[in-house]
Amino acid sequence: GAGVSQSPRYKVAKRGQDVALRCDPISGHVSLFWYQQALGQGPEFLTYFQNEAQLDKSGLPSDRFFAERPEGSVSTLKIQRTQQEDSAVYLCASSLDDGRNSPLHFGNGTRLTVT
Amino acid sequence: GNSVTQMEGPVTLSEEAFLTINCTYTATGYPSLFWYVQYPGEGLQLLLKATKADDKGSNKGFEATYRKETTSFHLEKGSVQVSDSAVYFCALIYGGSQGNLIFGKGTKLSVKP
Repeated sequence: GAGVSQSPRYKVAKRGQDVALRCDPISGHVSLFWYQQALGQGPEFLTYFQNEAQLDKSGLPSDRFFAERPEGSVSTLKIQRTQQEDSAVYLCASSLDDGRNSPLHFGNGTRLTVT
Repeated sequence: GNSVTQMEGPVTLSEEAFLTINCTYTATGYPSLFWYVQYPGEGLQLLLKATKADDKGSNKGFEATYRKETTSFHLEKGSVQVSDSAVYFCALIYGGSQGNLIFGKGTKLSVKP
């Protein structure tokens, strides 16, 4: 497919477990973004990659959150020792640039529920 | 700080009614402004954008004008259709940032036949 692909679509984790969320961006897109969307809220920025470089991680809520994009393509968002407040939809987006001129293309998200 | 405030929903309209969804912003520098839309079961997608003051973005019959004097970017459509039912998000990238697209909370629109 030509769009951004995220897996899994749904993830249920027990409190304290580690989770890994995967994002396959559109081929050739330089930029990759992760967002967190709580129920009834707009997406909140987590982190931004340009190729393999993580240029901005100011939105990561704690040191339990870690993101990587080692080869400048697929990215993984890892959450360690999950807490209930981590329950949200995690969105990945990619773009040809930083989003100013080329639009962000979003995946359908991973819905994480921490019990 | 940098932020976006948009009118709370849900907004329910009859087909062919006029739509306005208000959006105001606070930002450092000169932001670029966007409307993104999320149709049921689909991912967020760009609807329209404006990159400088007085620019008008338009797409699919929707329009929004970048008003620096009122720090606003209201979304309008003259005649809505049932297929416009979706959640609409106003967003900005502020001057000097890289990739930090800041979203409003979203406004759910339902159009009844």
